[in-house]
Amino acid sequence: NAGVTQTPKFRVLKTGQSMTLLCAQDMNHEYMYWYRQDPGMGLRLIHYSVGEGTTAKGEVPDGYNVSRLKKQNFLLGLESAAPSQTSVYFCASSYDSPLGYEQYFGPGTRLTVT
Amino acid sequence: AQTVTQSQPEMSVQEAETVTLSCTYDTSESDYYLFWYKQPPSRQMILVIRQEAYKQQNATENRFSVNFQKAAKSFSLKISDSQLGDAAMYFCAYRSAGYGGSQGNLIFGKGTKLSVKP
Repeated sequence: NAGVTQTPKFRVLKTGQSMTLLCAQDMNHEYMYWYRQDPGMGLRLIHYSVGEGTTAKGEVPDGYNVSRLKKQNFLLGLESAAPSQTSVYFCASSYDSPLGYEQYFGPGTRLTVT
Repeated sequence: AQTVTQSQPEMSVQEAETVTLSCTYDTSESDYYLFWYKQPPSRQMILVIRQEAYKQQNATENRFSVNFQKAAKSFSLKISDSQLGDAAMYFCAYRSAGYGGSQGNLIFGKGTKLSVKP
């Protein structure tokens, strides 16, 4: 049971380049999330998904796209990277329940855009 | 919209002593959940403790306990017998109750960096 995994763990991009971050979970969770963490800002929600084939915008969606083609995977794409997207990116997943089950987090991806 | 505020960017505690981290939140909802997450230098987010708003009893997990004051919208974390391994960023988070849509989304505070002195 690997929980939530993220690929890659580190990446350096040049301005204008594109990339995709992959998140995978093996807990059969319905909900998946992408956050970014910046110093002094806490974690901010980029996009989320409440099930396979569905996605929705979070607090800071601009410059990112996502896809959830399979229940266990949630992809985050940067089409044209900008230095403002330098951050640590976290994926998380949780059950679809009103009972307030916690989110389980991946180990994070440190992205630097030069 | 709900907000979560952690007013202490940094805190320090002596090993074996007790420290309390503050968190306040703003919401018009009556049913919700509150969490404390720990983020050590490894960067991994680890759930420390969880509180249901409908429960009056404060949650406890070993050396970690909360002081949940619903009327005051306050949710502080107390760490007793602090250990070197407790040094980390601590995030307070809010989640609405209910199914579907954005109900499961977490709203995070900006975090408190806790240092533990030997």
